[in-house]
Amino acid sequence: DAKTTQPTSMDCAEGRAANLPCNHSTISGNEYVYWYRQIHSQGPQYIIHGLKNNETNEMASLIITEDRKSSTLILPHATLRDTAVYYCIVRREQSNQGGKLIFGQGTELSVKP
Amino acid sequence: DAGITQSPRHKVTETGTPVTLRCHQTENHRYMYWYRQDPGHGLRLIHYSYGVKDTDKGEVSDGYSVSRSKTEDFLLTLESATSSQTSVYFCAISRGHSYEQYFGPGTRLTVT
Repeated sequence: DAKTTQPTSMDCAEGRAANLPCNHSTISGNEYVYWYRQIHSQGPQYIIHGLKNNETNEMASLIITEDRKSSTLILPHATLRDTAVYYCIVRREQSNQGGKLIFGQGTELSVKP
Repeated sequence: DAGITQSPRHKVTETGTPVTLRCHQTENHRYMYWYRQDPGHGLRLIHYSYGVKDTDKGEVSDGYSVSRSKTEDFLLTLESATSSQTSVYFCAISRGHSYEQYFGPGTRLTVT
């Protein structure tokens, strides 16, 4: 599975959009981009995933560049409860290992009043 | 909420004692996972299961064993706990057409 690179930390003002970047320059054609987040002391939480098209759900939007070498997770109106570590993970959608995840260090997002 | 519970939620034990952590799910998912999380290392996969009695090793499996005799339960055993196994342990299941993983609340284990 391809390796990802994320900034260590970011700040965002409450109510503004939070844009979290991820580089995955070695991504393969059959690998998806997944985003998870972990709020302090809780288990990680699935946010969204995509292959090459932009995706949106009730939590966030995922923008993947045309060459698929980078992506951006967008939280459109960040709240204090969005303060968490955000993980960008690249893996094949389905494998005989049922989708094993390899977590990096992630981006620590701080949403400030 | 994926119906995942972990027990115990907190445990303190002594070096050399056996410890078993339990992960229980209510939705009959095939795939289950055990991760550990330590400062500076993020989450690392210990073992996973792809069905009853079907398990395999992850990246940090030394010192751990697992069992899955029923679909709903996935047990993680430390045969002889060491201080290096002090950690927070998370269980997860896969569901959905893209095998998104959903995590339990975690077990904080301290080995003294």
